[in-house]
Amino acid sequence: KAGVTQTPRYLIKTRGQQVTLSCSPISGHRSVSWYQQTPGQGLQFLFEYFSETQRNKGNFPGRFSGRQFSNSRSEMNVSTLELGDSALYLCASSIQEFTEAFFGQGTRLTVV
Amino acid sequence: GESVGLHLPTLSVQEGDNSIINCAYSNSASDYFIWYKQESGKGPQFIIDIRSNMDKRQGQRVTVLLNKTVKHLSLQIAATQPGDSAVYFCAETGQGGKLIFGQGTELSVKP
Repeated sequence: KAGVTQTPRYLIKTRGQQVTLSCSPISGHRSVSWYQQTPGQGLQFLFEYFSETQRNKGNFPGRFSGRQFSNSRSEMNVSTLELGDSALYLCASSIQEFTEAFFGQGTRLTVV
Repeated sequence: GESVGLHLPTLSVQEGDNSIINCAYSNSASDYFIWYKQESGKGPQFIIDIRSNMDKRQGQRVTVLLNKTVKHLSLQIAATQPGDSAVYFCAETGQGGKLIFGQGTELSVKP
């Protein structure tokens, strides 16, 4: 079956702009989590959605937000982009919490 | 705060040898752990998981060991191959099931 799909794969944005990233989970998976990966901070949890509800949120500013649709697809949005937001943004899906989480290829965001 | 740390940032092994990657975790209440492999330009790939009611779990060429007494996790790769070269992360599940990742260990396999 198809894996986790993230679009787009690459993005270049200017400081101050906003961006929306998309994630389609594995069919049947209702939990979608987002992570930011940078060389300096490693993999850091952003938020997790289950059945359209945000259940958990990491320590990121309010500029980072997300949502999940009824078909379990999820989007995350970053407003007022800063240079430090340049990172690989990863989405993971699982059937439920505390079960195997599978990652997509990520979206590489570069803020210039 | 919550943290999962790896003892060795880099590991170089000869092809055919066994590899051992170690990880320490801080939350004794954690009950689910996962090892991931990440190749350059790709997302983390699930390798194997283990729950806290187990000490050992085996997969294909991989074994995960969990020592709850000292809060230590290890990943053993048997007969390491060049295709095993990657960064390996351990992850601990925190509150609400979020994954807390270690810094990662880069495994380099020499032919």
